[in-house]
Amino acid sequence: NAGVTQTPKFQVLKTGQSMTLQCAQDMNHNSMYWYRQDPGMGLRLIYYSASEGTTDKGEVPNGYNVSRLNKREFSLRLESAAPSQTSVYFCASSEAERPTGFYNEQFFGPGTRLTVL
Amino acid sequence: AQSVTQLDSQVPVFEEAPVELRCNYSSSVSVYLFWYVQYPNQGLQLLLKYLSGSTLVKGINGFEAEFNKSQTSFHLRKPSVHISDTAEYFCAVILYSSASKIIFGSGTRLSIRP
Repeated sequence: NAGVTQTPKFQVLKTGQSMTLQCAQDMNHNSMYWYRQDPGMGLRLIYYSASEGTTDKGEVPNGYNVSRLNKREFSLRLESAAPSQTSVYFCASSEAERPTGFYNEQFFGPGTRLTVL
Repeated sequence: AQSVTQLDSQVPVFEEAPVELRCNYSSSVSVYLFWYVQYPNQGLQLLLKYLSGSTLVKGINGFEAEFNKSQTSFHLRKPSVHISDTAEYFCAVILYSSASKIIFGSGTRLSIRP
């Protein structure tokens, strides 16, 4: 089992460029999450998905879009990158079957380090 | 508003010494509480969680935490640390009533000296 995988591991963008961060899990989990981690701050939830075809906004959704392509995959898209989006992005998954299932253990990927110049 | 405070951004300790990492939260309603650990260049993994029941919670790798409702704290402890415990530790809180929002603290970097 690979668990949660993320691609790419590193990315440098110029302001205004777009890109998609990919995430996949092989644990047959229902829920998937995207977080960003900034220095001196805890993780902040960007978007989450409690099931295939559904997505919900988290704490900091502005500037991002997501797609729950199927049960395994959950992608995060930056349409027009800004320097404020320089961060480390983590994808996670859990067994939670509904949006209120945050108390379920979350399993995290290794992260994508994104720099926007 | 709900918030989580980790009072120490860095905690250096000697190997085999005890350690306590502090976490306080603010909430007027019941909460679920978590500690996650992040080893260098890895994602977070769950150390332990408090949902209900006994206020002393035991987790992986010899860690434990105690929920203190009156002091709104959930401090993490280990009686004897190892070099392999070098990592960043995050406390997190979820409101019991909604469970649809998780708030992470800013993290405590634990460095172990031989």
